Amino acid sequence: EPEVTQTPSHQVTQMGQEVILRCVPISNHLYFYWYRQILGQKVEFLVSFYNNEISEKSEIFDDQFSVERPDGSNFTLKIRSTKLEDSAMYFCASRGQGTMNTEAFFGQGTRLTVV
Amino acid sequence: KQEVTQIPAALSVPEGENLVLNCSFTDSAIYNLQWFRQDPGKGLTSLLLIQSSQREQTSGRLNASLDKSSGRSTLYIAASQPGDSATYLCAVSSTGANSKLTFGKGITLSVRP
Repeated sequence: EPEVTQTPSHQVTQMGQEVILRCVPISNHLYFYWYRQILGQKVEFLVSFYNNEISEKSEIFDDQFSVERPDGSNFTLKIRSTKLEDSAMYFCASRGQGTMNTEAFFGQGTRLTVV
Repeated sequence: KQEVTQIPAALSVPEGENLVLNCSFTDSAIYNLQWFRQDPGKGLTSLLLIQSSQREQTSGRLNASLDKSSGRSTLYIAASQPGDSATYLCAVSSTGANSKLTFGKGITLSVRP
């Protein structure tokens, strides 16, 4: 069964360092998303990406964040200068196209710890 | 702004019981609603997707219903098993069929053997 894969599963980084979280969405999907979940809190939307550009972003997704689809299969989230409050589980998701293929599939997440 | 609420936050039931998990949303103009399961420290597994034009969807022992006008959805789990213990999240797409999902905080279910 097709699945969304994320690497790494865990990442520990020093405050102020750059991190790149990687995702391989389901191959025929066209809509890509990043969400995060701070421990004990709701899953929050960060950004959506379609047709090689950001289609929507939340207020959380400030200039420290960027997304890229560098090679047609990977989808990355970069945090330029990490802060302690960026510690969270980050989820990648993808969806197919059309009104009948709207089920969102999520990866297993990357647990980011900023120390 | 869409808000999704799931009450109670936690539920404990004995094995074999049928149960209903509730989800409510403030803006009834949704495109679809999706139920997920999350095991501790793990990702989100999609259980059921209900399009806005549908009233319910079934998968095995799970049945999800949607009442858009009242802003409610329920997830019915029949004959619960200890393996059903997990957090169940509902999420809605409000601005398009492929738009972002707005999540509830989830209901943590514990099924006692």
